[in-house]
Amino acid sequence: KAGVTQTPRYLIKTRGQQVTLSCSPISGHRSVSWYQQTPGQGLQFLFEYFSETQRNKGNFPGRFSGRQFSNSRSEMNVSTLELGDSALYLCASSPRLAGYEQYFGPGTRLTVT
Amino acid sequence: AQKITQTQPGMFVQEKEAVTLDCTYDTSDQSYGLFWYKQPSSGEMIFLIYQGSYDEQNATEGRYSLNFQKARKSANLVISASQLGDSAMYFCAMRDNTGGFKTIFGAGTRLFVKA
Repeated sequence: KAGVTQTPRYLIKTRGQQVTLSCSPISGHRSVSWYQQTPGQGLQFLFEYFSETQRNKGNFPGRFSGRQFSNSRSEMNVSTLELGDSALYLCASSPRLAGYEQYFGPGTRLTVT
Repeated sequence: AQKITQTQPGMFVQEKEAVTLDCTYDTSDQSYGLFWYKQPSSGEMIFLIYQGSYDEQNATEGRYSLNFQKARKSANLVISASQLGDSAMYFCAMRDNTGGFKTIFGAGTRLFVKA
């Protein structure tokens, strides 16, 4: 069974631009969660989607948004990028909502210049 | 408030020896889950082990075991017979229903296995 895939793996953007990251969960998994990892703040929960609906949300500004499609693939969008948005963005899939076992993808490393 | 504390920024262990990575947590929920993840330099998070708050037995997965002491709110990871490939960052995490199911992570412990 294929694992969680994230595209692109690396991205360089300029302040003020917007970016869209993609995550394809493990086949059959309906929950996708997104996390931001930075050296200063560590790993922080962004949001979780299940059956195309956002179920949980972390403490991030409205510039961070996401969506999930009927095939469970998820996208995360960050608008008006700031230097502090530079981070490793990880997505994780789970067979069920709030499932304890989450399988992570390799991450997308975003650099904002 | 939810909190995960990992007090060891870095740990060294000799190959083939056992090592314990510390984790304490705080939550007001009675029902919660505790996890450990490994993150090699490649960046991918690898799920290692899970312990539910109502589980009476300590969780074990191969060389990994979770020393769960509920009264002390600790969930230490024990790695037996360390291997060079165990060198990585290790994160303790908790998932409960405070403000909706969210997973929070500790700051991590970097483990170095010496040959």
